[in-house]
Amino acid sequence: KAGVTQTPRYLIKTRGQQVTLSCSPISGHRSVSWYQQTPGQGLQFLFEYFSETQRNKGNFPGRFSGRQFSNSRSEMNVSTLELGDSALYLCASSLELEDTQYFGPGTRLTVL
Amino acid sequence: QKEVEQNSGPLSVPEGAIASLNCTYSDRGSQSFFWYRQYSGKSPELIMFIYSNGDKEDGRFTAQLNKASQYVSLLIRDSQPSDSATYLCAVNFFSPGSARQLTFGSGTQLTVLP
Repeated sequence: KAGVTQTPRYLIKTRGQQVTLSCSPISGHRSVSWYQQTPGQGLQFLFEYFSETQRNKGNFPGRFSGRQFSNSRSEMNVSTLELGDSALYLCASSLELEDTQYFGPGTRLTVL
Repeated sequence: QKEVEQNSGPLSVPEGAIASLNCTYSDRGSQSFFWYRQYSGKSPELIMFIYSNGDKEDGRFTAQLNKASQYVSLLIRDSQPSDSATYLCAVNFFSPGSARQLTFGSGTQLTVLP
């Protein structure tokens, strides 16, 4: 079974721009979570989607948003990029809401 | 504030030794606990999960959970240089009226010396 896929793998943007990242979960998985990983803050939870509904949200500003489609694929969007948004963005999927999460390879975002 | 604490290390052990990684968590009501391994430049990879008090073994890895002490650990027997990575402890926290939130510790960097 194919794992979690994320596109693009690398992205370079400038301050003020916006970006959309995509995540395709493992086939059959209905829950998708997003995380931001930086050297200083570690792995931080952004949000989790299940059945096209946001079920939980971490402590991030409203510039960070996401959505989930009927096929469980998910996108996250960051508007008005700041230098501090440079990070590895990880998507993880699980079968159901409380199940074990499996991570994708991540998208490395650099904001200049 | 739900917290997961890990000794950031670095932890160095000789090849063939037992590596012991520790983690404490703040919420006594937590029910599920995970260990992930992350190689430099890669994404986290699940090693083990544990839900019940006691030990759970999988090959060279043993997870230990003590809910009374709010403590979970990972033992790696016969450590190999390929085990050199950052090990992340993660705990599922639940808030009233809200779904779970998987919270990660800062990770312990392990180096296995040949």
